[in-house]
Amino acid sequence: AQKITQTQPGMFVQEKEAVTLDCTYDTSDPSYGLFWYKQPSSGEMIFLIYQGSYDQQNATEGRYSLNFQKARKSANLVISASQLGDSAMYFCAMREGRNAGNMLTFGGGTRLMVKP
Amino acid sequence: GAVVSQHPSRVICKSGTSVKIECRSLDFQATTMFWYRQFPKKSLMLMATSNEGSKATYEQGVEKDKFLINHASLTLSTLTVTSAHPEDSSFYICSARDGGIRPYNEQFFGPGTRLTVL
Repeated sequence: AQKITQTQPGMFVQEKEAVTLDCTYDTSDPSYGLFWYKQPSSGEMIFLIYQGSYDQQNATEGRYSLNFQKARKSANLVISASQLGDSAMYFCAMREGRNAGNMLTFGGGTRLMVKP
Repeated sequence: GAVVSQHPSRVICKSGTSVKIECRSLDFQATTMFWYRQFPKKSLMLMATSNEGSKATYEQGVEKDKFLINHASLTLSTLTVTSAHPEDSSFYICSARDGGIRPYNEQFFGPGTRLTVL
């Protein structure tokens, strides 16, 4: 079974509007972390936001927020006030267990295209 | 954020040759480095995890004799693709973590190396 699922291969959003990128995960470990990365066409992976499994509040970082619904095992990324520079691939990833050196498992990614 | 560099950024080689890719953490000591492979329009697939001073741990299906990983220091890990074949053509990305100083223990990624084997 897929550990990280991103069901939207591609999405369009109008500039200045908000957009939600979906991510669901599967783990039996009570301790885990969820990450979102942005990959522009240049290829580098840019860390955006993190949510720990024990965090009580949804994570926020500037225009990025994470809609964490633990019971549903979803960790959707919300980008507010989209900008043209937000056009990129977005990957959701999970690290299982308490060991910070544990590997990341990535979802298939969502390509976001921001329309002017 | 922390800076991770990769060299070269792009390499084209002939089939049968070996190619070495370097991954460096520039402003922190990386106790653990990860090597990923990414095919066009696909996600990142972990190839191996390397800890400084010890042998790398390879993921299932990754040939350790083909993809040699050396993590000789806290700032440098190298991936050598030996006897490269056209099917090894891919985008190789390394990442590093700094031993837990960062609040989320997030991995920082290098810019990637695009390998083309002719």
